Amino acid sequence: QVQLVQSGAEVKKPGASVKVSCKASGYTFTSYDINWVRQATGQGLEWMGWMNPNSGNTGYAQKFQGRVTITRNTSISTAYMELSSLRSEDTAVYYCARVQRYELDPWGQGTLVTVSS
Amino acid sequence: EIVLTQSPATLSLSPGERATLSCRASQSVSSYLAWYQQKPGQAPRLLIYDASNRATGIPARFSGSGSGTDFTLTISSLEPEDFAVYYCQQRSNWPPAVFTFGPGTKVDIK
Repeated sequence: QVQLVQSGAEVKKPGASVKVSCKASGYTFTSYDINWVRQATGQGLEWMGWMNPNSGNTGYAQKFQGRVTITRNTSISTAYMELSSLRSEDTAVYYCARVQRYELDPWGQGTLVTVSS
Repeated sequence: EIVLTQSPATLSLSPGERATLSCRASQSVSSYLAWYQQKPGQAPRLLIYDASNRATGIPARFSGSGSGTDFTLTISSLEPEDFAVYYCQQRSNWPPAVFTFGPGTKVDIK
């Protein structure tokens, strides 16, 4: 079945960077865009950016421009989201999701990133 | 940038009742509107795409309608497992592509 499996929880200090992985299985990785979405505790869903795994083209939400980088390794069907200059407000669950046309399905299980000194 | 608003913020209902959730876009998104369900501690799950098409495995009690700027998600008779938060979402194609979520509607038990 189509599945996205993300890396485990991370604890980072302010100013550090974090890199979350998202491994795809059950479909051709390069045939569908991947999105990254985050959710702070008790808050709504916040879109961060997208990537075309075939071309490597990316697009980022203006809020994260300059701080987020989405990459991929097609040989292992894995997408990555790296967020730099972390601050406490970046504490959240980070999700990857496959883009069908514009709708997101399925989603990864989520990765909790905690930023604390 | 298209903004999505959802109402009400919270809907308190009993099992067996009908739930009607609204999503409004700041400008037309045609029928390119999706709905998601999220339960505590879980990732969102796609319910509806293209405003009215149920995703694979979604029960028939979930239905979507609308086009342009006004959309509705209806749960005909609430089951205990339906108490959750519901989000609408769209994508604008004008370069660059931007994905937008509504703030969510929480359906809780009355």
